[in-house]
Amino acid sequence: QSALTQPASVSASPGQSITISCTGTSSDVGSYNFVSWYQQHPGKAPKLMIYEVSKRPSGVSDRFSGSKSGNTASLTISGLQAEDESDYYCWSYGGSATFSVFGTGTKVTVL
Amino acid sequence: QVQLVESGGGVVQPGGSLRLSCAASGFTFTGHGMHWVRQAPGKGLEWVTFIRYDGTTKFYADSVKGRFTISRDNSRNTLYLQMSRLSAEDTAVYYCARDGNGYNFDYWGQGTRVTVSS
Repeated sequence: QSALTQPASVSASPGQSITISCTGTSSDVGSYNFVSWYQQHPGKAPKLMIYEVSKRPSGVSDRFSGSKSGNTASLTISGLQAEDESDYYCWSYGGSATFSVFGTGTKVTVL
Repeated sequence: QVQLVESGGGVVQPGGSLRLSCAASGFTFTGHGMHWVRQAPGKGLEWVTFIRYDGTTKFYADSVKGRFTISRDNSRNTLYLQMSRLSAEDTAVYYCARDGNGYNFDYWGQGTRVTVSS
């Protein structure tokens, strides 16, 4: 059950766009569209931002979008705002063998 | 509104046991699978275990298999995590999370802290 690989940190200025990658294998990200993304502010519980690769829950800003190509999923934040500064984690379903795996996490800094 | 409230955390000696609870409200508990996810101090999220809505199917991370047991009481709208043979590596904040019926974690509790130390 190896973690999905994410960049440790990403930074950009307000108003810019960033993309966070999440690389798995053909047994998880590459095989299923059950990829989701979570935002976690310090000391708080995670919050679902994207599910099933690209769907947004009600109440989540449309500045957040998700996609997938092969074994790599991506989260894009457009029009970066100060409140987007947070940790972000991807997650993928891994089938009955692995079932579940999180990404290593990415710290987003708004300069 | 959906609420998940964990309890039962605390300090326990290595080799000891602890049972966590997660009280659910604001939704039909029997309609959703449930997860436990943990986060060690300064570390990332680690999925721990999942139980199907009816309790018939359970999955565990390799790191806890054989030591942790997930269960649920649908009559009490409560999720449990029985932890045994605890070690320092189990020190973490433990979150319960609702499965959004599409394999995702759509609601989370506030977490309960478990510290394994002598």
